[in-house]
Amino acid sequence: EPEVTQTPSHQVTQMGQEVILRCVPISNHLYFYWYRQILGQKVEFLVSFYNNEISEKSEIFDDQFSVERPDGSNFTLKIRSTKLEDSAMYFCASSGTGNGNTIYFGEGSWLTVV
Amino acid sequence: AQSVTQLDSHVSVSEGTPVLLRCNYSSSYSPSLFWYVQHPNKGLQLLLKYTSAATLVKGINGFEAEFKKSETSFHLTKPSAHMSDAAEYFCVVSEVFQKLVFGTGTRLLVSP
Repeated sequence: EPEVTQTPSHQVTQMGQEVILRCVPISNHLYFYWYRQILGQKVEFLVSFYNNEISEKSEIFDDQFSVERPDGSNFTLKIRSTKLEDSAMYFCASSGTGNGNTIYFGEGSWLTVV
Repeated sequence: AQSVTQLDSHVSVSEGTPVLLRCNYSSSYSPSLFWYVQHPNKGLQLLLKYTSAATLVKGINGFEAEFKKSETSFHLTKPSAHMSDAAEYFCVVSEVFQKLVFGTGTRLLVSP
């Protein structure tokens, strides 16, 4: 079964450093997403991406976050200057078009900011 | 605004007994509803989804859920729990196309 893959699985970074989380969505999918889960809290929507642009973003997704599809297979989340509160599990996801299409999640990238 | 309430943070059952994980939703429109499962150190896996077709939805691993509009509920059930069902379960609502709103999760514990 096709799956969404994410790298790295774990990353520890110092506060203020830039981090790039990488994702390879399912190959024929056109919608891409990032969600995050702070330890002990809900999974939260960050951003959706379609046709090479952001289609929707949450209040969490401020100027320190950016997303990019640098080539035909990768989808990245960049955090420019990490803060302690950015420590979380970041999930990449993808889906096809059409209402009700299933969103498939990767296994997550656990980011720890120290 | 859409939201999801999972009524139990933890549910403990014995292997072979029924499972009931409760979920109530709030939505201004006809929502899509999902249950996702997260096993330890794993990603989020879709168990089942409701998208305005049959109100009783069957999913993987013997799970099913019934959409009850009058009660705004979408409870997850399984007739007989297995040890491998131990995991975190998330009820999810989607009102806006492809934007998911998660509940707080219910941790299912299965004892031998």
